[in-house]
Amino acid sequence: GAGVSQSPRYKVAKRGQDVALRCDPISGHVSLFWYQQALGQGPEFLTYFQNEAQLDKSGLPSDRFFAERPEGSVSTLKIQRTQQEDSAVYLCASSLGGAGDTQYFGPGTRLTVL
Amino acid sequence: QKEVEQNSGPLSVPEGAIASLNCTYSDRGSQSFFWYRQYSGKSPELIMSIYSNGDKEDGRFTAQLNKASQYVSLLIRDSQPSDSATYLCAVNIEGSQGNLIFGKGTKLSVKP
Repeated sequence: GAGVSQSPRYKVAKRGQDVALRCDPISGHVSLFWYQQALGQGPEFLTYFQNEAQLDKSGLPSDRFFAERPEGSVSTLKIQRTQQEDSAVYLCASSLGGAGDTQYFGPGTRLTVL
Repeated sequence: QKEVEQNSGPLSVPEGAIASLNCTYSDRGSQSFFWYRQYSGKSPELIMSIYSNGDKEDGRFTAQLNKASQYVSLLIRDSQPSDSATYLCAVNIEGSQGNLIFGKGTKLSVKP
């Protein structure tokens, strides 16, 4: 695939359920970012991986949010015990190198927590 | 708190006109600046990147950066209805791992 892919594209969860969101970055891209975008807002940074190392998780809103990238390629963002305020679009982006490189975004996963 | 500010709009221009989108940022050490276009229900798509003071042109798009004034803008010449979208300004601040700080976006509407 030529671009970043994410799955599922849409997820509806009942409050309290756990969800897992997947991101497949562009092949060969070292850096992977997760962002959260609320309606009418710009994306907000959640966490950053360089290969398999999670170098920045300062944007994760609570300890219910967890991300991993065990083999330096595919990444999973997990949200435990979902709350209504978690409803948003979760965007994954990848870049070839580090700071300053262009980030290419996936289509996002729209999470709705009922 | 590092901030990126944009006028949320909507900015309405007639077809064929120049659309001017503006962005200011708070961190003086910011190094890299990006403009993304986001259609409703879609993900952000890179339009332009700019790293040094001055103008950078790419087709109908021109990005302008003034680090002294902490200001970056995007001009769209010969605006088309297909340019109607939200334009996001994003900044990579000094010392970060590369994560972008986004503005809230400016909604542009180009009227036929």
